[in-house]
Amino acid sequence: QLQLQESGPGLVKPSETLSLTCTVSGGSIISGTYYWGWIRQPPGKGLEWIGRVYYSGSTYYNPSLKSRVTISADTSKNQFSLKLNSVTAADTAVYYCARRSGGNLDPWGRGTLVTVSS
Amino acid sequence: FMLTQPHSVSESPGKTVTISCTGSSGNIASNYVQWYQQRPGSAPTTVIYEDNQRPSGVPDRFSGSLDSSSNSASLTISGLTTEDEADYYCQSYDSTNHCVFGGGTKLTVL
Repeated sequence: QLQLQESGPGLVKPSETLSLTCTVSGGSIISGTYYWGWIRQPPGKGLEWIGRVYYSGSTYYNPSLKSRVTISADTSKNQFSLKLNSVTAADTAVYYCARRSGGNLDPWGRGTLVTVSS
Repeated sequence: FMLTQPHSVSESPGKTVTISCTGSSGNIASNYVQWYQQRPGSAPTTVIYEDNQRPSGVPDRFSGSLDSSSNSASLTISGLTTEDEADYYCQSYDSTNHCVFGGGTKLTVL
């Protein structure tokens, strides 16, 4: 059974870089079929797609975040990562990683809360 | 491209409720629509994918459909139980293959 788990600091200072890793178990990220993505949810608000990566390293980002986002894949560790720079309080959210299969996002990780505060 | 959902809906146990998801432009049938259920404190899970397909384990009380005339998708839940009380999000893709979520609908079963 495929499982995804987010990890990284829960507190980031304003203007710094948010860095998270998603570890995939029960399957390989090296697949011609799947993409691997990040989604976030500010407290009490809706879901926002951040972007996705293919195991080869090709990426696709939300245009509204593109200038600040980098998503990468590490096939040797079966992980993919998110970096969001120049963060502000508006970037405070629960960050989820998920597999994209066709158009469907499934499964999702449990999510990790990242707070931006000094 | 945006997907618009009602902020909230409510219905009684045993009844049927339909949640709409309207596309702002184009043809909603151009890309598959998914529906996710999110209970408080939990990650979203798929209840409908590819417009009207149910993952294994999702009761057949959940169904999805498209209406091209109104450029909308719908999630229908019949035989409501209190376990269905959750937030529901529709999701699809725009013409450049960017993933888009609806704003979410809070379902109250009372």
